[in-house]
Formats: sequence, structure tokens, C-alpha cells
Amino acid sequence: AQSVTQLDSQVPVFEEAPVELRCNYSSSVSVYLFWYVQYPNQGLQLLLKYLSGSTLVKGINGFEAEFNKSQTSFHLRKPSVHISDTAEYFCAVSDRDGQNFVFGPGTRLSVLP
Amino acid sequence: EAQVTQNPRYLITVTGKKLTVTCSQNMNHEYMSWYRQDPGLGLRQIYYSMNVEVTDKGDVPEGYKVSRKEKRNFPLILESPSPNQTSLYFCASSFRDNYGYTFGSGTRLTVV
Repeated sequence: AQSVTQLDSQVPVFEEAPVELRCNYSSSVSVYLFWYVQYPNQGLQLLLKYLSGSTLVKGINGFEAEFNKSQTSFHLRKPSVHISDTAEYFCAVSDRDGQNFVFGPGTRLSVLP
Repeated sequence: EAQVTQNPRYLITVTGKKLTVTCSQNMNHEYMSWYRQDPGLGLRQIYYSMNVEVTDKGDVPEGYKVSRKEKRNFPLILESPSPNQTSLYFCASSFRDNYGYTFGSGTRLTVV
């Protein structure tokens, strides 16, 4: 079974600064990896996903993530954040049968003016 | 508009009173799933379905039932709700396992 760790429960950052949200996973099989964003009082929205191929994945709203198989990581980055990026971010992993879709505990990103 | 629709958005009920949270998707997705979200615990899968009449337990199925009689609908049933089922519930659907899920807006359930 998979598991996902998001080491930072909260990340405060000033507007226009870069940010990295960390995600590590454990699995004995090949996986798919996802990042979701949840704005206040809303459902989750898919930011990006890694299925195969290039390890650098670009998503919506200027976010990107890099898959590192040796470190079993899938960190999310943005070079310059905006106030509107304030939200909770969830990393998720799925095995290739799609039967074990597991979310991490989430990281709350607060962008400060 | 492609979407997953959950109803109701908010529900307060009493212990032991059966309730159903409905979920419907208009994208012809095969996969559907229910999650509950609790502070500090992230999202935990309750049940999932890979197609009509095919359902399986997720990580926290106790106290819940589901059915998948039609492709578009995946209701969540709480036969005898208890206060520990107070939570934010999300329904989600996906075309295939590697597409990522589309989520509904959530149902905030309070059991008193």
C-alpha cells in the first residue's frame, strides 16, 4: 500500500517569493503522482500529475513539480507566488491499477502581502 | 459544464437517523469515489467504484454504504450516523485511473 508524507503542515511566504511544497511517498510498485489545490470552502482541483516520461511536470497557475524516483519525492514549486495562491495543497499517489488513491495530510500555503 | 454534483452542501442530523448524500457526474466517468476530510488527517477514502455494480472498500468504510446502479450516480449512505462521522465529505470521479479525480464541492455533515 502507498503512503504520502507532506512534511510541512503550514508554509507562510511573502508575495512574489518562490515556494516549494514537499511531498514524499512510499510504494513498492510504480505509481502515478498528483498535486491538488483546495481553496477555502471549495472542492479539490487538479494542479498537475506525473504519469511517465519527463520528470518535470508543469501544471496550471504557474506551478510545476519534479518527480525524483531515487528520493521518492514529488515536490511542488512556484517561482513567484501571489496572494491568490493561498490555499491548501495535497499531494496524492495512486498505483497503476488506480485502486489505491492516497492523499497526503496537506500543506497550508499562506501568501503574505 | 462537466462537473460532479453533491447534495446537500450542508447537513445537520441526529445520531441514528439514516441519511443519504447524493453524488452525480455528467462526464461518463467509470471511476467514482467517496472521501472524508478531517483536520490533520487529510482526505481518506471511504469507498470507490470502478464501474456499475463494482464497488470496494477504501481506508475507512465502517459505518458507510454505497451503491452504483447507474454509471453517473454514486450515493453515500449512513444507516445509523454517529458523531464521529461529523466531517467534510467529497465525491470524486475519474475517466481512468491515471486521469486524476474531479471533485464535487463537498458536503459538510454534522451529527449531534
